Amino acid sequence: SQQGEEDPQALSIQEGENATMNCSYKTSINNLQWYRQNSGRGLVHLILIRSNEREKHSGRLRVTLDTSKKSSSLLITASRAADTASYFCATDLLQGGKLIFGQGTELSVKP
Amino acid sequence: GAGVSQTPSNKVTEKGKYVELRCDPISGHTALYWYRQSLGQGPEFLIYFQGTGAADDSGLPNDRFFAVRPEGSVSTLKIQRTERGDSAVYLCASSLGQGTPLHFGNGTRLTVT
Repeated sequence: SQQGEEDPQALSIQEGENATMNCSYKTSINNLQWYRQNSGRGLVHLILIRSNEREKHSGRLRVTLDTSKKSSSLLITASRAADTASYFCATDLLQGGKLIFGQGTELSVKP
Repeated sequence: GAGVSQTPSNKVTEKGKYVELRCDPISGHTALYWYRQSLGQGPEFLIYFQGTGAADDSGLPNDRFFAVRPEGSVSTLKIQRTERGDSAVYLCASSLGQGTPLHFGNGTRLTVT
């Protein structure tokens, strides 16, 4: 079963705009991670935020985590056509070592 | 350096046959994961190894699925009596251990006819 739910399922924006994707989860976590997947390829790790952190930045990426609401968001600023991909959140559960993925947000950035 | 390697990249088999999917993790990565991904879905957890032992195999759908990692490096996912519903992309990932990022291979696309 999947632990995370993401919204929106699909997002279409113009180059230069910001893209925000949200992730909600159900059980306590050690950390939450965001991954990107281009069509037909494996997933690539983007950023990891620990349960005691509230915000983290990496380049044009900004991730927030609200453990009281069991939710996270990924913001991509100044999007580029090359950002077109599917984005997944994944939760590292407090009990056990497995990483559980959400259903993903399909982002399309139009040039 | 070399990433996670999965072979074959594509496998077509007939219903009822046995298949083996191989994963070569990044050297030095102690944790290894298998996931299954259907079109338009997120990766579905199957099994997680820490070293040679299966730390969590709760995601294996039934006893037709089995995975091994005998020397703590290469892993093989084995599927017996394949069914059409087993068709999916099987992803392998490795990491330095719990709480660290996963590095994924490009997957094996399994098609059961």
